[in-house]
Amino acid sequence: DAGVIQSPRHEVTEMGQEVTLRCKPISGHDYLFWYRQTMMRGLELLIYFNNNVPIDDSGMPEDRFSAKMPNASFSTLKIQPSEPRDSAVYFCASSPSPGTGVGTEAFFGQGTRLTVV
Amino acid sequence: AQSVTQLDSQVPVFEEAPVELRCNYSSSVSVYLFWYVQYPNQGLQLLLKYLSGSTLVKGINGFEAEFNKSQTSFHLRKPSVHISDTAEYFCAVTTSGTYKYIFGTGTRLKVLA
Repeated sequence: DAGVIQSPRHEVTEMGQEVTLRCKPISGHDYLFWYRQTMMRGLELLIYFNNNVPIDDSGMPEDRFSAKMPNASFSTLKIQPSEPRDSAVYFCASSPSPGTGVGTEAFFGQGTRLTVV
Repeated sequence: AQSVTQLDSQVPVFEEAPVELRCNYSSSVSVYLFWYVQYPNQGLQLLLKYLSGSTLVKGINGFEAEFNKSQTSFHLRKPSVHISDTAEYFCAVTTSGTYKYIFGTGTRLKVLA
């Protein structure tokens, strides 16, 4: 498997524009996570899905952020409208189902570096 | 809710010296613990994990960590570091049921020649 694939790797956009980040999880993984990484706040969990259903979106900073997972092989994180403070690296990660309840690790994509000017 | 604290934001160490990166967690239920490494401009890669059983866990690249329930700690150690170990290291916790990975703020390890 090619691992978790994120696109684009870099995005520069103007304030007020809509931004869409994309993620393809590892095939067979039931969980998908979106994280945001900044110097000030570290790695923040924004939202995660189980079997395409959002389970916890309490980390989504505000209504400008939305995430969808229309099928098991694709997810998007959208920011509309974007603001300079949204500049960060956004990571997508996926993991297999814990099955019997024993945790397994999350596998991370390379990230999307977003710059809003 | 669970949380993770990494007390050191930066740790400089000379090549071939030992290193310990500290991680403490808070949780009211049983936890699963992880250490990840992030090289510049890359994603996070798993170093090791504690799920159950032996409290001493060995990972890749010669790293190991010890789970200490009474001190709620999961410190990462390496007896002899290399220049190539220069990276940022993240401790993470999750619990059965919530399956929500919470990360610490990271420790930047800089290995000096």
